[in-house]
Amino acid sequence: SQKIEQNSEALNIQEGKTATLTCNYTNYSPAYLQWYRQDPGRGPVFLLLIRENEKEKRKERLKVTFDTTLKQSLFHITASQPADSATYLCALDNRSNDYKLSFGAGTTVTVRA
Amino acid sequence: DAGVTQSPTHLIKTRGQQVTLRCSPISGHKSVSWYQQVLGQGPQFIFQYYEKEERGRGNFPDRFSARQFPNYSSELNVNALLLGDSALYLCASSGQGRSTGELFFGEGSRLTVL
Repeated sequence: SQKIEQNSEALNIQEGKTATLTCNYTNYSPAYLQWYRQDPGRGPVFLLLIRENEKEKRKERLKVTFDTTLKQSLFHITASQPADSATYLCALDNRSNDYKLSFGAGTTVTVRA
Repeated sequence: DAGVTQSPTHLIKTRGQQVTLRCSPISGHKSVSWYQQVLGQGPQFIFQYYEKEERGRGNFPDRFSARQFPNYSSELNVNALLLGDSALYLCASSGQGRSTGELFFGEGSRLTVL
């Protein structure tokens, strides 16, 4: 069956440190993988998209890697700030069903000042 | 520019009732998708519409239906509400054409079924 698994535990880190989140998937053949941020009671906000032929992508303090052999994506927040506290969702398409994204359950990050 | 707008933001219904949720996509976006998010889980795909045609449907019962209007706005209808339908219903639009691509979500409609 298809599965998308993110860090099962919430992540608590000190301000200024790097947060690293994982997203592992099974029985998907994605053309791309996306990361979203979601604050409590709000809709998800798009952060980054990485395609299957890209190894790494950066945007400001964010970095995403995508390893289609390991079927894994890593999401890094460098120089973390309390404002980065949120739930982060990974999402991927499936080539045969390109009309939808499948989401993981998310990882909640709390950055302590 | 206005983002994706959804209404109502909150609503309470009782079991067996029917509900209609509304969504206006970002101007110029022709694709609208609906997702259900239960507390503690990621969004689950319900429908995608592109150019007023249903392109895909998720694993939801026939009590769930949707449509897209000529102005690309959309409605999600849920009949015979069950307690388990309590969730945040998210609408998202995309300017990527038929494929999903990057999604722009609204703030959601929080449905509570008593």
